[in-house]
Order: sequence, then structure tokens, then C-alpha cells
Amino acid sequence: GAGVSQSPRYKVAKRGQDVALRCDPISGHVSLFWYQQALGQGPEFLTYFQNEAQLDKSGLPSDRFFAERPEGSVSTLKIQRTQQEDSAVYLCASSFLAGYTGELFFGEGSRLTVL
Amino acid sequence: AQKVTQAQTEISVVEKEDVTLDCVYETRDTTYYLFWYKQPPSGELVFLIRRNSFDEQNEISGRYSWNFQKSTSSFNFTITASQVVDSAVYFCALSEAGGTASKLTFGTGTRLQVTL
Repeated sequence: GAGVSQSPRYKVAKRGQDVALRCDPISGHVSLFWYQQALGQGPEFLTYFQNEAQLDKSGLPSDRFFAERPEGSVSTLKIQRTQQEDSAVYLCASSFLAGYTGELFFGEGSRLTVL
Repeated sequence: AQKVTQAQTEISVVEKEDVTLDCVYETRDTTYYLFWYKQPPSGELVFLIRRNSFDEQNEISGRYSWNFQKSTSSFNFTITASQVVDSAVYFCALSEAGGTASKLTFGTGTRLQVTL
């Protein structure tokens, strides 16, 4: 597609439910990032993929968070047993080259609310 | 550890005023990159500029200009003759050159409100 697409745009979950957030990056983009943005804060890094390889997951806050990109294109961020502190906007970003310290293209995010 | 500070939480200006958004950063790296992103109400961050640590030339792009000063660890952003469409949250960000390239550390953002 023309840009980074994320779904769902909005998700309400009851505490303890599992959720899955999808990211469809720009076609051909090698690098894919997930960021978490709490209300009124800047985005915080979660994890990075280069093609299908997850090269950095140092930002994942707990083992309840899991991300995958099995074919090097679409990525899914899964959160198990959601907690209220997981409420945030989850942003996906992609870039054309590996290790490219330049422009990232962001999606509009998935807003997760945990009740 | 890297850190980006945007001390201005919110700024309100009247259209056509000039406005400067401040950004101060901390890093131990000698090679790094600085960015500004715009986040309109739709939520999607839009890239505005990247500057590497060896290039201290100021840059102008239309009504936008950036002032990078390594001596004060600052990378400030000025909008000249602001317009209502400039209303958004603006984020300054820092990236290390090694490790996970493009792993950005963001500031907390400055909300700019431009009114008629």
C-alpha cells in the first residue's frame, strides 16, 4: 500500500484478555519497528525486525509481549493477559533499508484500552 | 543513556507569529542523529528532518528552520509565520549510530496550537 497500515485502529480489552495488533508496512521495506506511546508521552521503542529476524526486543516491557514477522512483511504484536498499564497507542514504523538511520514511516497506530 | 528533553509542554500562538520549539539532548555517543517529527491529530508521525552529529549547519526548508548547536546539546525548531495547519504535537528524537540504527529516543513532545 501507499503507507504503513495498522489494524485495528481501536481495541478495547478486558483485563486478562489477549490482543493482537497488526502492522502492514510499506511494500519492500526491510526494517520494521514497534513503538508504544502512552497518553501525553513520546513513543518508546519496543522491538525491531530486519526482514523476518527480530534483532532487538530490548524494549518489550514483559514476557507478556510478543512480536513476530514470519515472512518479512506483515508483523503482529501480541499482548497476553492484558493489564491496565498496557493501555497506550501502539505505533508501527518501517524503513526501506536495513540499519538506515533515516526517515521512518509511521502508521496511525492502534489505540488499546484495557478496562 | 540517551535522553531528549522538550521543556515546553504546550505553546499557543496566533497565526503568522514565529514560534521556536526547544530540544535538548544527552548522549555519550560521538556519532548520532537528531530528528524532528510532527504528530497531527490523526496520530501518524511525519518525518520533518534528520541531522547527523557532524553537520552543524543550520537548515531552512520553507517556513521551517532548525538550529543545531553541539556546544549546548540543542536542536531547536523554528516555524516562521505559523499557520493553523501547523497545529500538532512536535517530537524531537535522538538515534545512536551503532546498535539498532533508527532506534529512536523521543522527547515528551511540544503541543503547538495555532489560532486565527
